[in-house]
Amino acid sequence: AQSVTQLDSHVSVSEGTPVLLRCNYSSSYSPSLFWYVQHPNKGLQLLLKYTSAATLVKGINGFEAEFKKSETSFHLTKPSAHMSDAAEYFCVVSSSGNTPLVFGKGTRLSVIA
Amino acid sequence: DAGVIQSPRHEVTEMGQEVTLRCKPISGHNSLFWYRQTMMRGLELLIYFNNNVPIDDSGMPEDRFSAKMPNASFSTLKIQPSEPRDSAVYFCASSLQTGGPLLTDTQYFGPGTRLTVL
Repeated sequence: AQSVTQLDSHVSVSEGTPVLLRCNYSSSYSPSLFWYVQHPNKGLQLLLKYTSAATLVKGINGFEAEFKKSETSFHLTKPSAHMSDAAEYFCVVSSSGNTPLVFGKGTRLSVIA
Repeated sequence: DAGVIQSPRHEVTEMGQEVTLRCKPISGHNSLFWYRQTMMRGLELLIYFNNNVPIDDSGMPEDRFSAKMPNASFSTLKIQPSEPRDSAVYFCASSLQTGGPLLTDTQYFGPGTRLTVL
């Protein structure tokens, strides 16, 4: 069985400060992990993905995530938040890449000017 | 690149009516996914196709739901009869299988169809 837990339903940061969105996963096999972003009234867009290569994954728009097997975590970070980063972020897991994606409940990121 | 196209963008219907949602995947993509998003349950995979063949429909909630993919450029999700609890945003996504595990390929999402069943 696989599951994903996003630890914060809402995160608020000031523009220019670091962003940390937390995600823990559970998987019976070597997982594939993803972060997607959803802007209001838009579809989801892939930010980055981990598929058993380098544990530090760099994505679009300055985001990156680190796969930590010992902590079963895949937290999303960005050094400096921009107003355009305000959106809903989803952490996603697929065990071995052959099982359907399981989405977290999402974390809403607010960026304050 | 037009991206994944979904229609209609908004649908309001009355309980008991038939609803058909449409999706045109990105040209050349050979996998297609239907998702449902609600506040209560988040994003759920309903069904996905590979090369027009349904691979896993275990997420389809009831027999009232059906999906077809008659060709590589078109898919439909039908609800008959519709119920108020079907109200949700339905997303279609497509991907190009690159040779690795199917579900690690990057999925490209459409803008969604917001369905309201009164």
